[in-house]
Amino acid sequence: EPEVTQTPSHQVTQMGQEVILRCVPISNHLYFYWYRQILGQKVEFLVSFYNNEISEKSEIFDDQFSVERPDGSNFTLKIRSTKLEDSAMYFCASSEWSGGNTIYFGEGSWLTVV
Amino acid sequence: KNEVEQSPQNLTAQEGEFITINCSYSVGISALHWLQQHPGGGIVSLFMLSSGKKKHGRLIATINIQEKHSSLHITASHPRDSAVYICAVRRETSGSRLTFGEGTQLTVNP
Repeated sequence: EPEVTQTPSHQVTQMGQEVILRCVPISNHLYFYWYRQILGQKVEFLVSFYNNEISEKSEIFDDQFSVERPDGSNFTLKIRSTKLEDSAMYFCASSEWSGGNTIYFGEGSWLTVV
Repeated sequence: KNEVEQSPQNLTAQEGEFITINCSYSVGISALHWLQQHPGGGIVSLFMLSSGKKKHGRLIATINIQEKHSSLHITASHPRDSAVYICAVRRETSGSRLTFGEGTQLTVNP
């Protein structure tokens, strides 16, 4: 079965450092997403991406965050200057189309900011 | 108040029992998803519903749009069903984003 793959699975970074989380969505999917889950809390939406641009973002997704699809297969989330409160599991997801389609999640990238 | 509420928060069952997890939401939706989160953290989509009922193996999901309520049932539960089950909705007004519930931790003992 096709799957969404994410790297790294776990990253520890110093506060203030830049972090890039990488994702390879399922190849024929057109919609891409980043979600995050702080330990012990519910999953929260960050951003959705379609047709090489952000289609929707949450209030969490401030100027410290950016997304990019640099080469037609990878989908990246960059956190410019990490804060302690950015420590969370970050999930990439993709779907074939929007509006009520099955969404496929990656295994997640654990980010620990120290 | 959360837009998506699940009950119970925690559920412990004996192998073979019939399990029901409930989800209530307070907004208009275009779809509701049931997801399973493994102990390692990975999330798997189980069902996507916009009306009625769906069945896959021992799992059944139902939704009542008028009452803004959905249920996930597991028949003949097994220890391997132990996981967090999450309800998430796609709001009518919010494009493609999902709004998640807190999840229900299910433990099935042998």
